[in-house]
Amino acid sequence: DVKVTQSSRYLVKRTGEKVFLECVQDMDHENMFWYRQDPGLGLRLIYFSYDVKMKEKGDIPEGYSVSREKKERFSLILESASTNQTSMYLCASSPPSWPQHFGDGTRLSIL
Amino acid sequence: GQNIDQPTEMTATEGAIVQINCTYQTSGFNGLFWYQQHAGEAPTFLSYNVLDGLEEKGRFSSFLSRSKGYSYLLLKELQMKDSASYLCAVRDLYGGATNKLIFGTGTLLAVQP
Repeated sequence: DVKVTQSSRYLVKRTGEKVFLECVQDMDHENMFWYRQDPGLGLRLIYFSYDVKMKEKGDIPEGYSVSREKKERFSLILESASTNQTSMYLCASSPPSWPQHFGDGTRLSIL
Repeated sequence: GQNIDQPTEMTATEGAIVQINCTYQTSGFNGLFWYQQHAGEAPTFLSYNVLDGLEEKGRFSSFLSRSKGYSYLLLKELQMKDSASYLCAVRDLYGGATNKLIFGTGTLLAVQP
Protein backbone atom coordinates (compact mmCIF):
# COMPACT_ATOMS: atom_id res chain seq x y z
CA ASP A 1 0.00 0.00 0.00
CA VAL A 2 1.21 3.47 -0.88
CA LYS A 3 2.02 5.60 2.13
CA VAL A 4 2.23 9.37 1.91
CA THR A 5 3.10 10.89 5.28
CA GLN A 6 2.74 14.54 6.21
CA SER A 7 4.71 15.63 9.24
CA SER A 8 1.87 17.31 11.15
CA ARG A 9 -1.94 16.97 11.21
CA TYR A 10 -2.41 20.35 12.91
CA LEU A 11 -0.09 23.34 13.03
CA VAL A 12 -0.47 26.83 14.45
CA LYS A 13 1.97 29.57 13.45
CA ARG A 14 2.19 33.34 13.67
CA THR A 15 2.10 35.92 10.90
CA GLY A 16 5.53 36.50 9.42
CA GLU A 17 7.00 33.16 10.50
CA LYS A 18 8.74 30.88 8.01
CA VAL A 19 6.77 27.62 7.94
CA PHE A 20 7.92 24.23 6.68
CA LEU A 21 5.48 21.45 5.74
CA GLU A 22 7.10 18.10 5.09
CA CYS A 23 5.85 15.21 2.97
CA VAL A 24 7.44 11.78 2.56
CA GLN A 25 6.34 8.92 0.27
CA ASP A 26 7.57 5.35 0.39
CA MET A 27 6.80 4.12 -3.15
CA ASP A 28 9.63 5.66 -5.16
CA HIS A 29 7.17 7.84 -7.07
CA GLU A 30 8.57 10.37 -9.53
CA ASN A 31 5.81 12.93 -9.14
CA MET A 32 4.89 14.83 -5.98
CA PHE A 33 2.36 17.60 -5.46
CA TRP A 34 1.29 20.20 -2.92
CA TYR A 35 -2.32 21.41 -2.83
CA ARG A 36 -4.36 23.60 -0.57
CA GLN A 37 -8.04 22.91 0.00
CA ASP A 38 -10.49 25.63 1.00
CA PRO A 39 -14.31 25.49 1.30
CA GLY A 40 -15.98 26.31 -1.99
CA LEU A 41 -12.68 26.43 -3.87
CA GLY A 42 -11.72 22.77 -3.94
CA LEU A 43 -8.19 21.50 -4.36
CA ARG A 44 -5.79 24.02 -5.86
CA LEU A 45 -2.30 23.08 -6.98
CA ILE A 46 0.52 25.12 -5.43
CA TYR A 47 3.64 23.40 -6.77
CA PHE A 48 4.59 20.04 -8.16
CA SER A 49 7.78 18.14 -8.90
CA TYR A 50 8.42 15.42 -11.46
CA ASP A 51 11.97 14.57 -10.40
CA VAL A 52 14.58 15.30 -7.77
CA LYS A 53 15.53 18.98 -7.74
CA MET A 54 12.85 19.71 -10.37
CA LYS A 55 9.85 21.89 -9.54
CA GLU A 56 7.04 23.53 -11.44
CA LYS A 57 4.60 26.22 -10.38
CA GLY A 58 0.99 25.22 -10.07
CA ASP A 59 -2.00 27.54 -10.14
CA ILE A 60 -1.35 29.47 -6.92
CA PRO A 61 2.42 29.53 -6.18
CA GLU A 62 2.60 33.08 -4.78
CA GLY A 63 3.89 33.16 -1.22
CA TYR A 64 5.18 29.58 -1.37
CA SER A 65 8.34 27.75 -2.37
CA VAL A 66 9.27 24.07 -2.45
CA SER A 67 12.28 21.84 -2.11
CA ARG A 68 12.93 18.33 -3.40
CA GLU A 69 16.45 17.25 -2.51
CA LYS A 70 15.57 13.55 -2.28
CA LYS A 71 13.06 11.56 -4.32
CA GLU A 72 10.95 10.57 -1.33
CA ARG A 73 10.64 14.01 0.26
CA PHE A 74 8.86 17.14 -0.94
CA SER A 75 8.79 20.19 1.31
CA LEU A 76 6.47 23.18 1.10
CA ILE A 77 7.77 26.46 2.52
CA LEU A 78 5.74 29.51 3.46
CA GLU A 79 8.39 32.21 3.31
CA SER A 80 6.51 34.70 5.51
CA ALA A 81 3.21 33.28 6.69
CA SER A 82 0.09 35.39 6.33
CA THR A 83 -3.45 34.85 7.62
CA ASN A 84 -4.76 34.14 4.12
CA GLN A 85 -2.56 31.05 4.07
CA THR A 86 -4.67 29.43 6.77
CA SER A 87 -5.90 26.29 5.03
CA MET A 88 -5.77 22.52 4.73
CA TYR A 89 -2.60 21.49 2.89
CA LEU A 90 -2.50 18.16 1.08
CA CYS A 91 0.52 16.39 -0.36
CA ALA A 92 0.22 13.71 -3.06
CA SER A 93 2.53 11.44 -5.02
CA SER A 94 2.23 9.28 -8.12
CA PRO A 95 4.17 7.47 -10.80
CA PRO A 96 3.69 8.91 -14.31
CA SER A 97 0.10 8.58 -15.58
CA TRP A 98 -1.23 6.75 -12.50
CA PRO A 99 -3.63 8.03 -9.82
CA GLN A 100 -2.27 10.39 -7.24
CA HIS A 101 -2.16 9.14 -3.65
CA PHE A 102 -2.75 11.69 -0.92
CA GLY A 103 -1.44 12.19 2.58
CA ASP A 104 -3.80 12.87 5.50
CA GLY A 105 -3.31 16.62 5.26
CA THR A 106 -2.02 19.38 7.52
CA ARG A 107 -4.53 21.86 8.89
CA LEU A 108 -2.49 25.05 9.20
CA SER A 109 -3.69 28.08 11.14
CA ILE A 110 -1.83 31.39 10.86
CA LEU A 111 -2.61 33.78 13.72
CA GLY B 1 -9.64 28.41 -19.92
CA GLN B 2 -9.92 25.42 -17.62
CA ASN B 3 -13.23 24.71 -15.94
CA ILE B 4 -14.73 21.72 -14.16
CA ASP B 5 -18.32 21.82 -12.92
CA GLN B 6 -20.03 19.56 -10.41
CA PRO B 7 -23.13 20.06 -8.26
CA THR B 8 -22.26 21.39 -4.84
CA GLU B 9 -24.50 19.11 -2.81
CA MET B 10 -26.74 16.07 -3.29
CA THR B 11 -28.94 14.02 -0.99
CA ALA B 12 -29.96 10.39 -1.48
CA THR B 13 -31.53 7.56 0.47
CA GLU B 14 -29.82 4.46 1.80
CA GLY B 15 -30.18 1.57 -0.67
CA ALA B 16 -30.90 3.85 -3.62
CA ILE B 17 -28.81 4.80 -6.67
CA VAL B 18 -27.28 8.25 -7.16
CA GLN B 19 -25.54 9.81 -10.17
CA ILE B 20 -23.02 12.62 -9.70
CA ASN B 21 -22.31 14.59 -12.88
CA CYS B 22 -19.15 16.37 -13.93
CA THR B 23 -18.65 18.57 -16.99
CA TYR B 24 -15.30 19.90 -18.05
CA GLN B 25 -13.72 22.39 -20.42
CA THR B 26 -9.94 22.07 -20.56
CA SER B 27 -7.17 22.92 -23.00
CA GLY B 28 -6.85 19.21 -23.77
CA PHE B 29 -7.84 15.89 -22.28
CA ASN B 30 -5.76 12.98 -21.08
CA GLY B 31 -7.96 11.19 -18.55
CA LEU B 32 -10.57 11.81 -15.87
CA PHE B 33 -10.41 10.68 -12.25
CA TRP B 34 -12.95 10.40 -9.45
CA TYR B 35 -11.91 10.63 -5.81
CA GLN B 36 -13.85 10.16 -2.58
CA GLN B 37 -13.09 12.33 0.43
CA HIS B 38 -14.64 11.80 3.86
CA ALA B 39 -14.72 14.80 6.17
CA GLY B 40 -11.30 15.48 7.68
CA GLU B 41 -9.62 12.77 5.64
CA ALA B 42 -7.48 12.50 2.51
CA PRO B 43 -9.03 12.00 -0.92
CA THR B 44 -8.91 8.36 -2.04
CA PHE B 45 -8.91 7.20 -5.66
CA LEU B 46 -12.15 5.66 -6.96
CA SER B 47 -12.00 5.40 -10.74
CA TYR B 48 -10.25 6.45 -13.94
CA ASN B 49 -11.60 6.94 -17.48
CA VAL B 50 -9.58 7.82 -20.55
CA LEU B 51 -11.78 6.29 -23.27
CA ASP B 52 -15.51 6.76 -23.80
CA GLY B 53 -17.79 4.37 -21.99
CA LEU B 54 -18.51 2.87 -18.62
CA GLU B 55 -15.99 1.56 -16.11
CA GLU B 56 -17.50 -0.61 -13.38
CA LYS B 57 -15.92 -1.35 -10.02
CA GLY B 58 -18.25 -3.02 -7.57
CA ARG B 59 -21.00 -0.63 -6.42
CA PHE B 60 -19.30 2.28 -8.19
CA SER B 61 -19.27 2.97 -11.94
CA SER B 62 -17.92 5.90 -13.91
CA PHE B 63 -18.90 6.99 -17.40
CA LEU B 64 -17.10 9.27 -19.86
CA SER B 65 -18.12 11.05 -23.07
CA ARG B 66 -15.15 12.97 -24.43
CA SER B 67 -17.13 14.61 -27.24
CA LYS B 68 -19.53 16.10 -24.68
CA GLY B 69 -16.92 16.88 -22.03
CA TYR B 70 -19.02 14.92 -19.57
CA SER B 71 -18.60 12.26 -16.93
CA TYR B 72 -20.71 10.80 -14.18
CA LEU B 73 -20.09 8.67 -11.12
CA LEU B 74 -22.84 6.17 -10.34
CA LEU B 75 -23.18 4.79 -6.83
CA LYS B 76 -25.51 1.81 -6.34
CA GLU B 77 -26.98 0.29 -3.17
CA LEU B 78 -26.06 3.38 -1.21
CA GLN B 79 -24.74 2.93 2.30
CA MET B 80 -24.44 5.48 5.08
CA LYS B 81 -20.63 5.30 4.79
CA ASP B 82 -20.93 6.67 1.22
CA SER B 83 -21.67 10.09 2.72
CA ALA B 84 -18.63 12.05 1.55
CA SER B 85 -17.39 14.57 -1.01
CA TYR B 86 -16.79 13.26 -4.50
CA LEU B 87 -14.13 15.04 -6.53
CA CYS B 88 -13.87 15.04 -10.30
CA ALA B 89 -10.39 15.73 -11.73
CA VAL B 90 -9.12 16.04 -15.29
CA ARG B 91 -5.60 15.48 -16.55
CA ASP B 92 -4.97 17.83 -19.43
CA LEU B 93 -3.14 17.08 -22.65
CA TYR B 94 0.23 18.13 -21.29
CA GLY B 95 -0.12 16.34 -18.00
CA GLY B 96 0.76 12.85 -19.15
CA ALA B 97 4.18 12.46 -17.59
CA THR B 98 3.82 14.92 -14.78
CA ASN B 99 0.30 13.70 -13.99
CA LYS B 100 -0.91 17.20 -13.23
CA LEU B 101 -4.64 17.25 -12.44
CA ILE B 102 -7.28 19.96 -12.40
CA PHE B 103 -9.89 19.37 -9.70
CA GLY B 104 -13.52 20.38 -9.50
CA THR B 105 -14.81 21.81 -6.22
CA GLY B 106 -16.44 18.52 -5.27
CA THR B 107 -19.97 17.26 -4.63
CA LEU B 108 -20.99 16.70 -1.02
CA LEU B 109 -23.26 13.64 -0.90
CA ALA B 110 -25.45 13.07 2.14
CA VAL B 111 -26.99 9.59 2.45
CA GLN B 112 -30.10 9.52 4.63
CA PRO B 113 -31.69 6.49 6.32
